[in-house]
Amino acid sequence: QSALTQPASVSGSPGQSITISCTGTSSDVGSYNVVSWYQQHPGKVPRLMIYEGNKRPSGVSYRFSASKSGNTASLTISGLQADDEAEYYCCSYADTPVLFGGGTKLTVL
Amino acid sequence: EVLLVESGGGLVQPGESLRLSCVASGFTFGDHYMDWVRQAPGKGLEWVGRNTNRANSYTTHYAASVRGRFTISRDDSKNSLYLQMNSLKTEDTAVYYCARGTPDYYGLYYFDYWGQGTLVTVPS
Repeated sequence: QSALTQPASVSGSPGQSITISCTGTSSDVGSYNVVSWYQQHPGKVPRLMIYEGNKRPSGVSYRFSASKSGNTASLTISGLQADDEAEYYCCSYADTPVLFGGGTKLTVL
Repeated sequence: EVLLVESGGGLVQPGESLRLSCVASGFTFGDHYMDWVRQAPGKGLEWVGRNTNRANSYTTHYAASVRGRFTISRDDSKNSLYLQMNSLKTEDTAVYYCARGTPDYYGLYYFDYWGQGTLVTVPS
């Protein structure tokens, strides 16, 4: 199975909204709500931002939301802030092997 | 507070072996799946493998890239997860994270907590 496909980079200005896509297949992303999203600042540990497709763990800002259409999942960050600048990874945990996307570098202009 | 602390990383020559450990605290270790995920320098995340829990007979699963070389085990009495890495290759150079698997509504396991990672370097 191949890694999930994410854009290499996205950018936005403070206050704007951005969306990061994550494309897989009907066996992974398209299967139930089995996508999670992680934020990773340089040199830091990945942090869970979204699980079960669109649920936020305690402590994650409401500005982070997610959705899915067919075999493509999306992470939307609204009201961009400087601290949102990081690498974002999608993950399909429908089965093993667990699949990660290649990562998307978010730059806040 | 959930804590995962990895140890055992270091510099090893190609073909050699290394054993990583991950000690957990702050939760009932035996109830959770535990996985290893790695990240090569400047690269993305790559799933390495999983050890399920006692309820699922501690079944293990591995990525194709490490199957037959790596072995994941756990000792619930010590709240510890292990990764035995044999026949190491240069492409195994990475930070290795242990991650806790927690079941969602559908009974599928996502990673909610990660350790700080331990660096394994296999020079060319």
